[in-house]
Amino acid sequence: EVQLLESGGGLVQPGGSLRLSCAASGFTFTRYAMSWVRQAPGKGLEWVSAISGSGGSTYYADSVKGRFTMSRDNSKNTLYLQMNSLRAEDTAVYYCAKAFSTSATSPWDYWGQGTLVTVSS
Amino acid sequence: DIQMTQSPSSLSASVGDRVTITCRASQSISNHLNWYQQKPGKAPKLLIYAASSLQSGVPSRFSGSGSGTDFTLTISSLQPEDFATYYCQQSYNTPPTFGQGTKLEIK
Repeated sequence: EVQLLESGGGLVQPGGSLRLSCAASGFTFTRYAMSWVRQAPGKGLEWVSAISGSGGSTYYADSVKGRFTMSRDNSKNTLYLQMNSLRAEDTAVYYCAKAFSTSATSPWDYWGQGTLVTVSS
Repeated sequence: DIQMTQSPSSLSASVGDRVTITCRASQSISNHLNWYQQKPGKAPKLLIYAASSLQSGVPSRFSGSGSGTDFTLTISSLQPEDFATYYCQQSYNTPPTFGQGTKLEIK
């Protein structure tokens, strides 16, 4: 059974940093691209970033480029999102999602339960 | 970026109704269109991928159609568990983008 378990969310001040993790199990982690998708309270879905199965390629939304860094440790089956220079508008539930294939643009067939990040003073 | 526009934004319907939600892309995306269902407090769930392919485990009352810029999601006979928010999403290029969502409510 595929499982994705996010952790690391919480309350952080504007300008602060946070690192999210997503522990994956139930599938061959290295074979699939992964993404982070977020949802601000009461709002729609927004793709944040994606990473190839090898970790060699990463992609970012313009809204987070230069502030967020996505990585993966394939030996630990774990995905990360390092978030720096956080802003109030980054407040959201962050989901990790498994891609259908190795392509970073393929649809997401499994999602974690989400972790809430709140940026506020 | 490719803009995705869904209509309607909200919809009231009854159990047993046939419902159609539309999604329009700002440029041609071939068949790279996916549909997700999201219930309150839960993660999205993939229903349809590649415009018309039913994801494993999804009931056959859900169907998708379209290509190019215009797409539809149809629920042939609404069930109580189908009341949720539905999102379309293009996977044609980066950044992948979502429609604003369609909230399906009980009449």
